[in-house]
Amino acid sequence: DAGITQSPRHKVTETGTPVTLRCHQTENHRYMYWYRQDPGHGLRLIHYSYGVKDTDKGEVSDGYSVSRSKTEDFLLTLESATSSQTSVYFCAISEGSSRIGYTFGSGTRLTVV
Amino acid sequence: GESVGLHLPTLSVQEGDNSIINCAYSNSASDYFIWYKQESGKGPQFIIDIRSNMDKRQGQRVTVLLNKTVKHLSLQIAATQPGDSAVYFCAEIPHNTNAGKSTFGDGTTLTVKP
Repeated sequence: DAGITQSPRHKVTETGTPVTLRCHQTENHRYMYWYRQDPGHGLRLIHYSYGVKDTDKGEVSDGYSVSRSKTEDFLLTLESATSSQTSVYFCAISEGSSRIGYTFGSGTRLTVV
Repeated sequence: GESVGLHLPTLSVQEGDNSIINCAYSNSASDYFIWYKQESGKGPQFIIDIRSNMDKRQGQRVTVLLNKTVKHLSLQIAATQPGDSAVYFCAEIPHNTNAGKSTFGDGTTLTVKP
C-alpha cells in the first residue's frame, strides 16, 4: 500500500532466534500498530504506538517488544521466536481522529521452525 | 469482554447479485464501526465506516447498516462482481479507547461465482 511498507515480506527462522520486523511509513501519521493474523482468530493487536517512544501493549503482547525511535519506523521484535509465533504480521497506520480507519501494510509472513 | 463476530465464515453469491455480510458485536460503547476488505496476499483495505449515532451509510456500491438495538452490523454490496471476492472484516473502535484501537471480527470469505 502506498505510504506504508513492511520488511521482510517473508521470513523463516529457527526457534529461539531473535527476529525483527520493520514497518516504515511516509505519511507522518501519529499512530502505528502491529497485528497478527491467524486462521480462526482474525486480527489481534500486539502493540501500538501513539508517538515517538510512546508505545503500549495490545491483547497478545507476550513474547513481543516494539520500538519507535522515529515517526516513520515501528519495529516489532520477537526476542526468542517460538512456533506459536508463526503467523502473518500486519502493520497499520492511522491519522487518529481525523480519519478513523487504518491503512495496512502488505504483511510479513513469518514461519518459525 | 469485547467481541466482534461475523455470522457466517463463508458466503457464495452469483455475479450480479447483491451480497449481505453480517456482523454481531457485544460492546455497546463503541464510537465507530468499520468494514475492511482483504484480498489474498494483501493487507486489509478500508471500505467504509459508520459512526454509532448513524443507522445507515452509503458508499460506492456498498451500504452499511447499524442496528444498535440488537448490536448488529451489516455490509451490503450491490451487483457483486468477481473483484469483490475477498475476506471481509468488521471492526469496532470502542469509546474513549487510546489511539483508536480497533477490535476485529474473524472475517467472512465472499466468493463470487461467474
